[in-house]
Amino acid sequence: GALVYQYPRRTICKSGTSMRMECQAVGFQATSVAWYRQSPQKTFELIALSTVNSAIKYEQNFTQEKFPISHPNLSFSSMTVLNAYLEDRGLYLCGARGGPEVFFGKGTRLTVV
Amino acid sequence: QQKVQQSPESLTVSEGAMASLNCTFSDGTSNNFRWYRQHSAKGLEVLVSIFSDGEKEEGRFTAHLNRANLHVSLHIREPQPSDSAVYLCAIDTNAYKVIFGKGTHLHVLP
Repeated sequence: GALVYQYPRRTICKSGTSMRMECQAVGFQATSVAWYRQSPQKTFELIALSTVNSAIKYEQNFTQEKFPISHPNLSFSSMTVLNAYLEDRGLYLCGARGGPEVFFGKGTRLTVV
Repeated sequence: QQKVQQSPESLTVSEGAMASLNCTFSDGTSNNFRWYRQHSAKGLEVLVSIFSDGEKEEGRFTAHLNRANLHVSLHIREPQPSDSAVYLCAIDTNAYKVIFGKGTHLHVLP
């Protein structure tokens, strides 16, 4: 079956430092990968969508300078939160698609101290 | 930009009573509509995925889609206390984006 693994599952970083999280697609080829953030008491916001052979598209309020994304092959994507501050804390979710269905990982929970 | 609105924000039902959740959206041309469940800010569990107008049942969960009315609902038959969670409506757009609603907090009382 199709699965998406995210790691780490939980991480803590000091304010002002950076943190990299990874997303691995297993059992299918991830032609597009979307990254989402769920801040405390909020729903999932789309950060950016990465599609093979296309530029990565960031949503309003999110930038490549803050959340650089790499999607080097059809099974892997990573995103870094640069210069993390309190407002960056939350659950970061990766959604990978190889066809009509999208598969989500269990997320990386980021705590900023 | 597709907008997704869920109601109610919070719902309390007794164990065994039907729970009904609603979701309205702004663009009926989207590909697919899904209901997810999230326990205590953990990952997402997909409950029902529906594409065509009408009903789709997955166990105790039934989704009903009406594109013309821009509405999709979720009905939970015989809910248990373990079904207490946040239920998220998600619209899978034609642009490969999934747009989530803000969720309905369901509380099932024993």
